[in-house]
Amino acid sequence: ETGVTQTPRHLVMGMTNKKSLKCEQHLGHNAMYWYKQSAKKPLELMFVYSLEERVENNSVPSRFSPECPNSSHLFLHLHTLQPEDSALYLCASSQDPGPRETQYFGPGTRLLVL
Amino acid sequence: DQQVKQNSPSLSVQEGRISILNCDYTNSMFDYFLWYKKYPAEGPTFLISISSIKDKNEDGRFTVFLNKSAKHLSLHIVPSQPGDSAVYFCAAQAGTALIFGKGTTLSVSS
Repeated sequence: ETGVTQTPRHLVMGMTNKKSLKCEQHLGHNAMYWYKQSAKKPLELMFVYSLEERVENNSVPSRFSPECPNSSHLFLHLHTLQPEDSALYLCASSQDPGPRETQYFGPGTRLLVL
Repeated sequence: DQQVKQNSPSLSVQEGRISILNCDYTNSMFDYFLWYKKYPAEGPTFLISISSIKDKNEDGRFTVFLNKSAKHLSLHIVPSQPGDSAVYFCAAQAGTALIFGKGTTLSVSS
């Protein structure tokens, strides 16, 4: 595998379910990101991790819980989501978290909350 | 309020002609801009970037122009090819975050 991979690619869950999204980067990068893209809206940054430490949390509700066990893996744990959380969730990585760093994206997980 | 705007949701161009995709931003503190391309069922892929100290950056068929006084940038693709058909996102870097526009869908017909 090369680049940034995400699993699952599609997920349907009820509002009482608990599920997790997984992201893995094979680029040797130190920074990883979660973005959300809702219908007819631009991509919005959710979380930034640098060397497994969370460095940014963009006022995301606590029903989204990120976890970064090492610099290659990033998870997004989901619980008691709402239908309006249905969106495309994209993971990205970059060499470092600073400016001028190109971010490389995974293919995304399409989430539907019923 | 959106800080990065792509006011044209779609653009259709014939193969071999020039494609011009436009982007406006509101925050004069933005100093680094990127264009990403996205095919269906794939994540965005980096295309080209420009720093605010420049007004032009070129990479093969792709050229990005930056007009800081107008807070406007544009991506020129010449000549356009059918494989260029995709959604193009403009983004501005703000610290660790990328602020994206909504995207413009480019269709290149042969």
